[in-house]
Amino acid sequence: EVQLLNSGGDLVQPGGSLTLSCAASGFTFSSHAMAWVRQAPGKGLDWVSSISASGGSMYYSDSVKGRFTVSRDNSKSTLYLQMTSLRVDDTAVYFCARDRHETTSAYFDYWGQGSVVGVSS
Amino acid sequence: SSDLTQDPAVSVALGQTVRITCQGDSLRGYHPSWYQQKPGQAPIFLIYGKNNRASGVPDRFSASSSGNTASLTITGAQAEDEADYYCNCRDSSGKHLVFGGGTKLTVL
Repeated sequence: EVQLLNSGGDLVQPGGSLTLSCAASGFTFSSHAMAWVRQAPGKGLDWVSSISASGGSMYYSDSVKGRFTVSRDNSKSTLYLQMTSLRVDDTAVYFCARDRHETTSAYFDYWGQGSVVGVSS
Repeated sequence: SSDLTQDPAVSVALGQTVRITCQGDSLRGYHPSWYQQKPGQAPIFLIYGKNNRASGVPDRFSASSSGNTASLTITGAQAEDEADYYCNCRDSSGKHLVFGGGTKLTVL
């Protein structure tokens, strides 16, 4: 059974830093791209970042580029999101998801339960 | 980047058919994926590609697309289908992904 377990959420001050983790099990982690998707309170889903299976390619939304860094440790089957220079509008539930790509389609077929990140003074 | 537009809210009578639409330029080249989300829960993957349902998704859910518009159709809506529905697609660069704003479905 595929499982993604989010951890690391916290309340931080603006300008602060935080690292989220996502522990994967039930599939060959090193064979799959992964992604982070967030959801601000009462708002819709917002793609944040994706990383290739090897970790050699990373992609970011314009709203987090330069502040967030996605990485992975395939030996530990774990995905990370390092967040710096946090802003109030980064407050959200952060989900990790398995990221699948085909020629004319992309989809997130498994999701973690989410980690709550609050940014407030 | 590319925006995907969804109607904020749609309602359907129990047992009737409802169509949830998603519009955007990137849909001319890519098929969207669809997700269901209930309050306080993680999204659930429903459909990808032309009309490929995820494992365990009831066959009352189907997808179609034409031009810059994609649709998720629920044939015979059930009370448990009341939820938020999101479309997602690659943007024109192919490297970024974008979600529609979501549609809140009410089953009357």
